[in-house]
Amino acid sequence: ELKVEQNPLFLSMQEGKNYTIYCNYSTTSDRLYWYRQDPGKSLESLFVLLSNGAVKQEGRLMASLDTKARLSTLHITAAVHDLSATYFCAVDTVNNDMRFGAGTRLTVKP
Amino acid sequence: GAGVSQSPSNKVTEKGKDVELRCDPISGHTALYWYRQSLGQGLEFLIYFQGNSAPDKSGLPSDRFSAERTGGSVSTLTIQRTQQEDSAAYLCASSPRTSGKVSGANVLTFGAGSRLTVL
Repeated sequence: ELKVEQNPLFLSMQEGKNYTIYCNYSTTSDRLYWYRQDPGKSLESLFVLLSNGAVKQEGRLMASLDTKARLSTLHITAAVHDLSATYFCAVDTVNNDMRFGAGTRLTVKP
Repeated sequence: GAGVSQSPSNKVTEKGKDVELRCDPISGHTALYWYRQSLGQGLEFLIYFQGNSAPDKSGLPSDRFSAERTGGSVSTLTIQRTQQEDSAAYLCASSPRTSGKVSGANVLTFGAGSRLTVL
């Protein structure tokens, strides 16, 4: 069964600092997604990574995919308070299932 | 519709009662997914529909849970004889992904969820 693991699960950062969230998955897949969830809200799509070596950037967030290592990273540069949210990675399987990691709850403090 | 619509948004029920949760996906989206999110937890996969059929029911936690989809559109998740551990947010998502050869992105659009509280 496909397993998707994220770490850390909780992350408290100071504004202006950098950090990386990791997403490992257990089976072959070359499609990985990052979603953001604000408190009390539903999930919204952030990034779509469709091949080995894919890199996407939006503002202070950059996501990458290494399909050989079955690893995706979400890098945060110079964090700001507005980035406080829960971030989920998800893996698309050949059966069109979409399985999510447990999420990383990010808190950015002034 | 313009987005994924779920109802009710909140449901409080007594232990042992049955509940029905409804999901109205984006028009034309053939794939529909149900997930459960307990407070502060990740997303637990429940079931996935392609059209009216459910290729993967493996995530349903017990035989008290069932789901159907009619007309390739609206889906209903039914929980019978609810228990306190069923308390959670139930999220529905849809995508235009079709079955067969899989390629390209499969971005899910989520509804706002149905928050269930079992007393």
